[in-house]
Amino acid sequence: EAQVTQNPRYLITVTGKKLTVTCSQNMNHEYMSWYRQDPGLGLRQIYYSMNVEVTDKGDVPEGYKVSRKEKRNFPLILESPSPNQTSLYFCASRGTGRSEQFFGPGTRLTVL
Amino acid sequence: ELKVEQNPLFLSMQEGKNYTIYCNYSTTSDRLYWYRQDPGKSLESLFVLLSNGAVKQEGRLMASLDTKARLSTLHITAAVHDLSATYFCAVDYGDNDMRFGAGTRLTVKP
Repeated sequence: EAQVTQNPRYLITVTGKKLTVTCSQNMNHEYMSWYRQDPGLGLRQIYYSMNVEVTDKGDVPEGYKVSRKEKRNFPLILESPSPNQTSLYFCASRGTGRSEQFFGPGTRLTVL
Repeated sequence: ELKVEQNPLFLSMQEGKNYTIYCNYSTTSDRLYWYRQDPGKSLESLFVLLSNGAVKQEGRLMASLDTKARLSTLHITAAVHDLSATYFCAVDYGDNDMRFGAGTRLTVKP
């Protein structure tokens, strides 16, 4: 089954404790993205990647890092999480050309 | 600045009625997407609009794109309760630089 998976689905942590949210897709897609969703703001793109080792900042990259060492994986790293990073995070992927984007199930992060 | 504005943000409608959700964007693009999100769920792709004048229909939903006006519409025909959800438009500004609207929360009442 074609899908985008994220782990963990729920995470409660404390300020300053480094964490990684994993994202993996099995569709051989070139493009992958991370978004955060906050009430009233829609989805805002954090980082995106056009292929292996090619990443770029989205709308709200501050406080986040990403890497794309393999085509299928695109982890999101918070080196020193802060309470304002409490949010719902989505990973997404799509192929080249003008194709639809597939979203993962989401990760609800709370930073205390 | 790249902006995407949806309106209305909240929409309550009676079953059987028609309504339109609007998505305006600030900078030229010919790629626009519509998504549906149910409470507590992820986003589901509804339509991909790739050129000026594109129109797509699926069931009671029809989406269109006017790139000259920088406007897309999502028209709902004879609404039913199952259409209750939040709808997002998103504009692709190239190389996967995607900007989303704030979303329209639709409630369809019997």
